Amino acid sequence: LAKTTQPISMDSYEGQEVNITCSHNNIATNDYITWYQQFPSQGPRFIIQGYKTKVTNEVASLFIPADRKSSTLSLPRVSLSDTAVYYCLVGGDTGRRALTFGSGTRLQVQP
Amino acid sequence: GAVVSQHPSRVICKSGTSVKIECRSLDFQATTMFWYRQFPKQSLMLMATSNEGSKATYEQGVEKDKFLINHASLTLSTLTVTSAHPEDSSFYICSARPLGATNTEAFFGQGTRLTVV
Repeated sequence: LAKTTQPISMDSYEGQEVNITCSHNNIATNDYITWYQQFPSQGPRFIIQGYKTKVTNEVASLFIPADRKSSTLSLPRVSLSDTAVYYCLVGGDTGRRALTFGSGTRLQVQP
Repeated sequence: GAVVSQHPSRVICKSGTSVKIECRSLDFQATTMFWYRQFPKQSLMLMATSNEGSKATYEQGVEKDKFLINHASLTLSTLTVTSAHPEDSSFYICSARPLGATNTEAFFGQGTRLTVV
């Protein structure tokens, strides 16, 4: 799987938009970009996945530039409950291979 | 969406005893399940890949005789920590991906907090 680099931590306030960028310079042609959220003492939870351009769901948006060497997870109007660790993963393999997690970004939302 | 259930969520055991953790895929079949370990403030580290009907494959540095994995059916994998010691205290998480998944979406259990005293 392609190696990813993302900020170790970020701080924000309630109501703000948060953008977390992930670098994946070695992304392969058939790789998808997926983001997971993890709360303390819980397993990771799938947030969003994309291949190119922009993807939006009820939770977040994912922006992927044309060269796909980076991606940005955008969380609109964060709340205290969005305080978590966010992981960016890149890969395109089958269900027989495990996902490899990088260090993640620890987001702290303040009141 | 797909659900992976892990049990127990929390366990405390005495040093030298064994602990079994179960991981079930509730609404899909998974020929492969994955076991991770996570220490405080750290990322998830893959321990082993559990293969239905065959032996598990372990990551480098993970003792297969200490962390016994059994994947007896398409919906159940178990991890047994044998002769547990305080250094085995950690957060253990299982994961499964639906058969034939071709992207990086996976489903995770809620994790098991193991404390060895």
